[in-house]
Amino acid sequence: GAGVSQSPSNKVTEKGKDVELRCDPISGHTALYWYRQSLGQGLEFLIYFQGNSAPDKSGLPSDRFSAERTGGSVSTLTIQRTQQEDSAVYLCASSSALGGPGNTIYFGEGSWLTVV
Amino acid sequence: DAKTTQPPSMDCAEGRAANLPCNHSTISGNEYVYWYRQIHSQGPQYIIHGLKNNETNEMASLIITEDRKSSTLILPHATLRDTAVYYCIVRVGSNTNAGKSTFGDGTTLTVKP
Repeated sequence: GAGVSQSPSNKVTEKGKDVELRCDPISGHTALYWYRQSLGQGLEFLIYFQGNSAPDKSGLPSDRFSAERTGGSVSTLTIQRTQQEDSAVYLCASSSALGGPGNTIYFGEGSWLTVV
Repeated sequence: DAKTTQPPSMDCAEGRAANLPCNHSTISGNEYVYWYRQIHSQGPQYIIHGLKNNETNEMASLIITEDRKSSTLILPHATLRDTAVYYCIVRVGSNTNAGKSTFGDGTTLTVKP
C-alpha cells in the first residue's frame, strides 16, 4: 500500500505474555519511528531507526521493550512480560532521509494493545 | 528542538474559521514550525509547515509572527470532521531525526454545529 501499515490493529493479551507489533513503512523511507500513546495522552517517542545506523533507543521505557528492523524496511516492536500499564496504542511512522524541511512524518493507524 | 505551548482545548462553530495558537518563544533560527492533527482513533496527519513566511495549502494556513516566537494555524471554514487534536512542533528542517520531536499534548479542537 501507499501508507504506513501496522498489524495487528487490535491486540488483547494476558498480563505476562509477550507481544509483537509489526510496522511496514512507506516504500523508500529509510527513517522509521515507534511511539506510544496512552488514552488521552500525547505521543511518547520510543525508538528511531535510520538506514543501517544503530537505532536511537532513548525513549524505550524499560528493558522489556525492544525493536528491530530487518532489511531496512519492516520493523517489529516486541514487549516482553506485558504489564497492564503497557496498554496503549502503539504508532509507527516513517519519513524519507532527504534531510530537507519537507521531511514529513507519515503515521500508521496504530496497534491498540490491551493487557488484561 | 524548541518546546511549544498550546491551549489544551478550543471550540469553533461549524463554517467559521478556527484559529489555533502556538507559542515557541525559544525557537532557533534554523527551526521550522510543523502542524499535525490526530482525529480520534487515527494516526497523526501532517497539515502544514513553515519557517518564517506565511504558508497556505489545501488544508490550512500558517501565520508566523515576525519574531517567530508564535504562530497560528488557521482552518478557514471548519467542518465537524476537523474535530481533532492539533499538535504544533518545531524542529530543525535539515534534521532527518524528524520524528523524535516532542509532540506534547496539543490542542483539542471541537467543531460544533
